[in-house]
Amino acid sequence: ILNVEQSPQSLHVQEGDSTNFTCSFPSSNFYALHWYRWETAKSPEALFVMTLNGDEKKKGRISATLNTKEGYSYLYIKGSQPEDSATYLCAFLYRDDKIIFGKGTRLHILP
Amino acid sequence: NAGVTQTPKFRVLKTGQSMTLLCAQDMNHEYMYWYRQDPGMGLRLIHYSVGEGTTAKGEVPDGYNVSRLKKQNFLLGLESAAPSQTSVYFCASKNARGARREKLFFGSGTQLSVL
Repeated sequence: ILNVEQSPQSLHVQEGDSTNFTCSFPSSNFYALHWYRWETAKSPEALFVMTLNGDEKKKGRISATLNTKEGYSYLYIKGSQPEDSATYLCAFLYRDDKIIFGKGTRLHILP
Repeated sequence: NAGVTQTPKFRVLKTGQSMTLLCAQDMNHEYMYWYRQDPGMGLRLIHYSVGEGTTAKGEVPDGYNVSRLKKQNFLLGLESAAPSQTSVYFCASKNARGARREKLFFGSGTQLSVL
């Protein structure tokens, strides 16, 4: 079953607040989990590639954690800024090299 | 640096017409992928390729064919276009060297409308 779920689907956050959202994926045969940021009228760009249970990655105000045993990853944004408005996608890499995306979380930062 | 280039950027087809979308990458990547993006559906994998001469089906392969005759190019064909194939198509590639640690690089997309 190729099942990558993201929640929530959409999120409105006040500028300056912190937020987080979830990606769940099959917990068996884990290979890698990707996070991408997708701004309107642009192409998705990679934020993180995570491969080990317990991985924590950070890039500026954005960070991510990974739990492969229970099949979830969290993406955190600290002190949201208007430029953080985007769709955040997670993607699961299967051992046969398929890369399957979730439907994304659309983040809106309110001024 | 060109990266991943998709042509054309826009196209309008009539039902039943055929066309080929070209994805070209200049990063010597082994792996290439075709996705379609529809409202509320995220990116869905159509076909992918792990090397020259090889292709494999993704989540939504029906109605599409692909070819990878050269390492740098991945072609997506629609033999008889249908309105359900109206979508934005994205190509992506990644290096094989680091295998699972490698990220995808995306092209800028092709907007296709089938009337």
